Amino acid sequence: AQRVTQPEKLLSVFKGAPVELKCNYSYSGSPELFWYVQYSRQRLQLLLRHISRESIKGFTADLNKGETSFHLKKPFAQEEDSAMYYCAPTGTASKLTFGTGTRLQVTL
Amino acid sequence: EPEVTQTPSHQVTQMGQEVILRCVPISNHLYFYWYRQILGQKVEFLVSFYNNEISEKSEIFDDQFSVERPDGSNFTLKIRSTKLEDSAMYFCASRNRGLLNYEQYFGPGTRLTVT
Repeated sequence: AQRVTQPEKLLSVFKGAPVELKCNYSYSGSPELFWYVQYSRQRLQLLLRHISRESIKGFTADLNKGETSFHLKKPFAQEEDSAMYYCAPTGTASKLTFGTGTRLQVTL
Repeated sequence: EPEVTQTPSHQVTQMGQEVILRCVPISNHLYFYWYRQILGQKVEFLVSFYNNEISEKSEIFDDQFSVERPDGSNFTLKIRSTKLEDSAMYFCASRNRGLLNYEQYFGPGTRLTVT
């Protein structure tokens, strides 16, 4: 069965501190992996995808197929990063399988 | 920038009533989805729709649920006889064609409250 694990419900960090949001997945085939973000009172939006290997708003995520992980990282957290973050793999069927989400809280 | 829109933003209904949730996907998109999120739980896939038919549905999407694209712009989710446990946020999403273009664009959601 397809499964996504985001072990932390809440991650609280100080501004300027490094951030790592964990995601482990169990998925048949070769999924494409995404991180979606939901800022307060806004819709779910794509943050980044593993296939493009890009950095968005300072965030990066490396796919580790051996560990089946896709952790999201940022070296220096900003207040505006406070949001809900969802890891979501998808396959050729294209439905997204969401993790439970991690609330990132960046404090001064 | 084009966006997915959903109406209404909040719907309150009594148990046993039928509800229709409406979505207008981005105009050149071809794949359409419904997801739901019960309060405090994760976002769950309900159904995907392509070429005027359901391409995949989850276990949640039983006979009480149906989807329709009645015209060239709207995409609707109907719940025939609502139950208390149908109370949730319902999100519509759409994406464009392309095997390598899996990004889904989400609407703001409709909060359904069944009393």
